[in-house]
Amino acid sequence: AQKITQTQPGMFVQEKEAVTLDCTYDTSDQSYGLFWYKQPSSGEMIFLIYQGSYDEQNATEGRYSLNFQKARKSANLVISASQLGDSAMYFCAMRERGDDKIIFGKGTRLHILP
Amino acid sequence: DAGVIQSPRHEVTEMGQEVTLRCKPISGHNSLFWYRQTMMRGLELLIYFNNNVPIDDSGMPEDRFSAKMPNASFSTLKIQPSEPRDSAVYFCASSFRTGIETQYFGPGTRLLVL
Repeated sequence: AQKITQTQPGMFVQEKEAVTLDCTYDTSDQSYGLFWYKQPSSGEMIFLIYQGSYDEQNATEGRYSLNFQKARKSANLVISASQLGDSAMYFCAMRERGDDKIIFGKGTRLHILP
Repeated sequence: DAGVIQSPRHEVTEMGQEVTLRCKPISGHNSLFWYRQTMMRGLELLIYFNNNVPIDDSGMPEDRFSAKMPNASFSTLKIQPSEPRDSAVYFCASSFRTGIETQYFGPGTRLLVL
């Protein structure tokens, strides 16, 4: 079974609208971290935001926020006031405590329309 | 602070040639990861090191691939002999090993084997 599921292979969103990229995860560990990365067309993998499983508050970084719903094992990325430069592939990922590896989802390609 | 440094950024070579990819992790990070990304297979973990020691190389596709980390600030991924199907983007990433830490990626090496 996949540990990280991103159900939206592609999304088209109008500029300035808010965007929610879905991510669900599967783990039996109590301690884990959730990450989002952005990969623009230039190819680099850019770390955006991190949420720890014990964090009470949803993580926020500028226009990015992580909507963490632990009971539902959901870690959606919310981008407020989208910009053309947000067009990219977005990867959700998880790291379980005691495991050095990060498990990545297959990604969602976001297109921001002018 | 300098991020993860990879060289070369682009490599074009002919089938059968040896290819060496280089990575300098972020200073102080003690885990280093090599990934390969293709359209068909997505992002794959090839091998990772903790404190310069290879921990898991189960993702290395064949004996043609080898990786070393002679010290904390340098790692190489070698392909010998290279084949056209090795064409991909190869990423190096590093992180702290304590806790549930973020991996930071280098810019990648875009390899084309003709």
